[in-house]
Amino acid sequence: DQQVKQNSPSLSVQEGRISILNCDYTNSMFDYFLWYKKYPAEGPTFLISISSIKDKNEDGRFTVFLNKSAKHLSLHIVPSQPGDSAVYFCAASGDGPRLTFGEGTQLTVNP
Amino acid sequence: DAGVIQSPRHEVTEMGQEVTLRCKPISGHNSLFWYRQTMMRGLELLIYFNNNVPIDDSGMPEDRFSAKMPNASFSTLKIQPSEPRDSAVYFCASSLYFSSAMQKLFFGSGTQLSVL
Repeated sequence: DQQVKQNSPSLSVQEGRISILNCDYTNSMFDYFLWYKKYPAEGPTFLISISSIKDKNEDGRFTVFLNKSAKHLSLHIVPSQPGDSAVYFCAASGDGPRLTFGEGTQLTVNP
Repeated sequence: DAGVIQSPRHEVTEMGQEVTLRCKPISGHNSLFWYRQTMMRGLELLIYFNNNVPIDDSGMPEDRFSAKMPNASFSTLKIQPSEPRDSAVYFCASSLYFSSAMQKLFFGSGTQLSVL
């Protein structure tokens, strides 16, 4: 039972364009959502988060949008850079300290 | 701070052998997590500890898997006997947990396990 789903295993965009990564969840008890970025041979690192009381959070080139009614969140990266090429994991929390992660999306930004 | 430290970085073993993965969390953190990364399920939670006490081990796949946290600065994940399907990257993460607060986990670099 995958409570957090990232339906796109991969995404390829041109440098300078917008990257949009999507995530859906099923558990209405989740109240915090996070995005992690993972480079090869490294552990995931925190990127950006959003509380369920908000619908948008922005940090530089990264913006996370939350649509609670649709149980959907997205990560926008603009402009995309080659260094953004990584696996992006969506995660959610709400029942204690654990984070529930999605399957991940491999983003490739082409120069 | 050195961050979460995992060892070994790579482990290659034969089916049936015992495997022990080690983790040193960030000093002062009170929660520790073991995750496994697979293509199909992404980052899958195996078990987590709060104040050195196992809270939820429902993600541990079988009795072949066991985890311990004898003190606040050390945890192990053991697989005995190992099987080829256990091959994956195993991550340890730690956090400082306060109730009703957003959790930000800090991950180690992972252990790449290959069971032949």
